[in-house]
Amino acid sequence: EDQVTQSPEALRLQEGESSSLNCSYTVSGLRGLFWYRQDPGKGPEFLFTLYSAGEEKEKERLKATLTKKESFLHITAPKPEDSATYLCAVQASEGSNDYKLSFGAGTTVTVRA
Amino acid sequence: DAMVIQNPRYQVTQFGKPVTLSCSQTLNHNVMYWYQQKSSQAPKLLFHYYDKDFNNEADTPDNFQSRRPNTSFCFLDIRSPGLGDAAMYLCATRYLLNTEAFFGQGTRLTVV
Repeated sequence: EDQVTQSPEALRLQEGESSSLNCSYTVSGLRGLFWYRQDPGKGPEFLFTLYSAGEEKEKERLKATLTKKESFLHITAPKPEDSATYLCAVQASEGSNDYKLSFGAGTTVTVRA
Repeated sequence: DAMVIQNPRYQVTQFGKPVTLSCSQTLNHNVMYWYQQKSSQAPKLLFHYYDKDFNNEADTPDNFQSRRPNTSFCFLDIRSPGLGDAAMYLCATRYLLNTEAFFGQGTRLTVV
């Protein structure tokens, strides 16, 4: 069974204090890894897709990287508006449930001004 | 413009009273998902469709059912809601395996 584990569960940062979030995964074969942002009481909002080890994607203060066992979401010089829960999801490449997206529990980031 | 629309945003139902949540999409995507998300937990997949092909997760309770009458609409029926079914229910759509899923804003279900 696909497993996705995110750490830490919560992260409190001072504005401008860079940090990283971790997503470790166990799947039979990775077709894609997805990062989402979720604000309280709302649906997840797509950030990045990563397909193969060594790949990197950037958007504003966020940068996502991928290895064969884990992904990192780096937040550089965060601002209070970066406060949210960041979710990681994996798409396996084998089996009859080819469309199944399995999520981690997320990391809740709070950025103080 | 909203592309995946869930109605209602908030639903209060009585213990044991059937309830239906709806999802519509303007993206014409083949794949649709229903997830259940409880506080501080990972979204848990309940069902997904590829067109009309239906996939039921093994651990989805029998109390939950789903219908997809056409590409644009999908419904989640909870036949006899219990207190443990209170959660955020998320609908999502997707075009291809390698692409991202688009989520609606969710329906917050309260069972009283």
